Amino acid sequence: DAKTTQPPSMDCAEGRAANLPCNHSTISGNEYVYWYRQIHSQGPQYIIHGLKNNETNEMASLIITEDRKSSTLILPHATLRDTAVYYCIVRVDLTSGNTGKLIFGQGTTLQVKP
Amino acid sequence: DGGITQSPKYLFRKEGQNVTLSCEQNLNHDAMYWYRQDPGQGLRLIYYSQIVNDFQKGDIAEGYSVSREKKESFPLTVTSAQKNPTAFYLCASSITAGKPQHFGDGTRLSIL
Repeated sequence: DAKTTQPPSMDCAEGRAANLPCNHSTISGNEYVYWYRQIHSQGPQYIIHGLKNNETNEMASLIITEDRKSSTLILPHATLRDTAVYYCIVRVDLTSGNTGKLIFGQGTTLQVKP
Repeated sequence: DGGITQSPKYLFRKEGQNVTLSCEQNLNHDAMYWYRQDPGQGLRLIYYSQIVNDFQKGDIAEGYSVSREKKESFPLTVTSAQKNPTAFYLCASSITAGKPQHFGDGTRLSIL
C-alpha cells in the first residue's frame, strides 16, 4: 500500500470549513483513498473513500486531484465534536487475497476552536 | 441500531492470567478484525477473519488467540504468553475483506 503524508496538526474555527490535505504521490491505479478519524479514547470512525472521482456523503467531501497524487477531506461546517485525529489511508480495495488490514500513519490532529 | 459492541470498556489483568475481550456485531458483516493500538501509535493487526469458522494471523499474533464460531462474534483472548499486553484493543468488521471497516469503541487492557 502507498505511503501518505499529512500535516501533524491543524486548527479550524467552529462553523467554518475544515480542509485536511493528504499527499499520496506513489498511489497505484487500483488503490483507493480512505479517510478515518479517531476521537480521543474511541474507535476509529470511517468517513469516506474514493478512487478518482470526488465523493460526498453526509459527513464530508473528498476531493482527489486529477493525477491522484493528493486529496483533500472537507468538513463543510466544522463543530467542536469534529476535533479528532484524521487519518488518510491508501489501499487496494479487493475482496480476495487481501487481508483488509488498515495501516494508520500519524494522521492530522484537527482542533476545532469556538 | 446496527453496530459493533466491545466489552468490557476497561479490563485489568494479573500477571499470568488469560483474559478474553468480547466483540459482537449485528451488521451481518463477513469479515472481522482485531487491532492493537499503543499510545501515540497507529493500529497493528492481531488477527482477522474473512468468514465464519476461519481466521488468520495478522502482524502481531503471538500471545493472542481468537475463535469465529458465529458470524456475529469474534472474541480475542490475551494469553499469559503476551508479555506486554497493556494497550487499547479495537475490533472492526466489514461487509467483506477490503471494504470499509467499522470499529467498536475499544477495550483498554491494563496489567495489575
